[in-house]
This record gives sequence, C-alpha cells and structure tokens, in this order.
Amino acid sequence: RKEVEQDPGPFNVPEGATVAFNCTYSNSASQSFFWYRQDCRKEPKLLMSVYSSGNEDGRFTAQLNRASQYISLLIRDSKLSDSATYLCVVFANSGGSNYKLTFGKGTLLTVNP
Amino acid sequence: DAGVIQSPRHEVTEMGQEVTLRCKPISGHNSLFWYRQTMMRGLELLIYFNNNVPIDDSGMPEDRFSAKMPNASFSTLKIQPSEPRDSAVYFCASSFIGSNYGYTFGSGTRLTVV
Repeated sequence: RKEVEQDPGPFNVPEGATVAFNCTYSNSASQSFFWYRQDCRKEPKLLMSVYSSGNEDGRFTAQLNRASQYISLLIRDSKLSDSATYLCVVFANSGGSNYKLTFGKGTLLTVNP
Repeated sequence: DAGVIQSPRHEVTEMGQEVTLRCKPISGHNSLFWYRQTMMRGLELLIYFNNNVPIDDSGMPEDRFSAKMPNASFSTLKIQPSEPRDSAVYFCASSFIGSNYGYTFGSGTRLTVV
C-alpha cells in the first residue's frame, strides 16, 4: 500500500461547483496533515493544514478521520483560479527523532467557465 | 525573504554528462530536502539534511546521485553520469527541524537529459 493515496482524477467542473478530494494514508502514527496546491510548471505551495476537528478557510474545508486514516478537502463555489493540482501531504516519523513530509501524486482540477 | 533559491531553472544536457543542481535554503531553516517530480511517480523525496547532516538518503535512486550540504546556506545535488531517465523537475525545500508547518519549496530545476 502506498504511503499516501489520492483520487487519480482529473476533475473537470464548472465554475461555482463544489468539488471534493479524498486521500488515505498508511502510517497510523502520522502526526500532521496538509493540502498543498501546485500550479502548472510551478512549485508546490502550502494551501492549508488539516486539523483533527476539521477546519475551514473561506471556501476551503479540510477534514481528518484518524480512525479511517482518511483526509479530505472540499472546495465550494469553485473559481477558475482554483484550477491546479491538489496534493495530499502527511508528516510522519522517518526514524529516531526525524520527520518528513510524504506527498500523494496529486489530483488535477480544472474549473471551466 | 528571498525564499528557497534554486539554480539553474532549466538544464539540458547530453547523456553521460555530469549535472549539478544548487539550492540555497531560507536563512534560519535547518532542514533541507531534495525532491524529484515526474508524471509517473509524482514527488519523491531523494534525501534530506538536518543541520547540514544527511539523515535519510533512501530515496536516492543509485550511486550516480550524490548530495552535499557543506554549510547551512548551500546544498548541491549531483548526477554523474546523467541518463535520459533522470529527466524530471528537481525541487529543493527547507524548513525548521521537526516543523509541522510544512516546507517551503524552491522554483525547481527542470532537467532534460538527451
């Protein structure tokens, strides 16, 4: 099983649609969780952290279910500018006191006018 | 803050040549990471350093790849000899050790080996 698995996509949605991304992770000891966004031919950038109680940032809502080892990202009222690849990211111990981020392969979202 | 600075932005080289990629992390960050991104495999961690010391190089594909961090403000990733399958985007990222606030990535080096 891969460390971090995401919907393969791609997703094509009209402006204003609600779109959901799903992700599962294999390491039950993972500590922190994130969603990154990567625009075409650019570097990944942190979109938001994911907290156990769920958290919202404007049109974006992230959820975490530790028991199911499942993470989600919901985008409401999608905009053209939301078109990008969304990466699910997990922060976990890699041995001793060392930690690292592991990235899913990403899901490409295209929002159409 | 200038962010993580990588050079060159693009590199085209012939198979068998040596390639050196460079990275300057954010000042004050003490962890540095080298990632490779391809369509097939996504983002793969190659190696990372804490306080200039290599911690985990299990992602380095083979002996042709080597990385160094001689000081807190500079790191290199070297491929010798390069092969066409090394073509990818190579990202450097930095953070504080153990930080759970995510990493800051450089703009990447797009490597093409012909």
